[in-house]
Amino acid sequence: DVKVTQSSRYLVKRTGEKVFLECVQDMDHENMFWYRQDPGLGLRLIYFSYDVKMKEKGDIPEGYSVSREKKERFSLILESASTNQTSMYLCASSPLLGTQYFGPGTRLTVL
Amino acid sequence: QQPVQSPQAVILREGEDAVINCSSSKALYSVHWYRQKHGEAPVFLMILLKGGEQKGHDKISASFNEKKQQSSLYLTASQLSYSGTYFCGTETGGYQKVTFGTGTKLQVIP
Repeated sequence: DVKVTQSSRYLVKRTGEKVFLECVQDMDHENMFWYRQDPGLGLRLIYFSYDVKMKEKGDIPEGYSVSREKKERFSLILESASTNQTSMYLCASSPLLGTQYFGPGTRLTVL
Repeated sequence: QQPVQSPQAVILREGEDAVINCSSSKALYSVHWYRQKHGEAPVFLMILLKGGEQKGHDKISASFNEKKQQSSLYLTASQLSYSGTYFCGTETGGYQKVTFGTGTKLQVIP
């Protein structure tokens, strides 16, 4: 069965902290994605990766970076968290030209 | 740029039909449809590739008009389990970079 896991369901951090969100998939998918979801704004793509060590900016990359050292793992990094980064973060993976499978999400609150 | 979905919200009684529209200002390679139930992750419904094909399973189907850069999702004889937020995602290039719309909240009531 397809599985995408995220390191935390809920996370509370303080302004200025460095935050790591981890995502792992067990399907050997080439593509991995990070989205944030906010009420009324839908799912907005932050970054995606189509291969190990390869990354592309999405629609809202400012304030974020990513790392993909292994095929199964894709990390989202908030270098200095700010309150406007409080959101639900969703990771997804897909094979080439295929369905995206989403993880359960991490609800991040930045105080 | 995000595709535009309409309506933003709709309430149906069981057994009624609904159409959700998705339009883009850019030429489309493919359109994806997902449904998200409250508190859960989005779940894939279907993908349509350019060529104007229509796909469907059970009582949910979709069409894709490449020339108009539009897609529509059709839900017939709605069931309570259809409730949720429906997102269309549009792909305008390679690598499966999908840009999602803001969603259509659908509620089916008895």
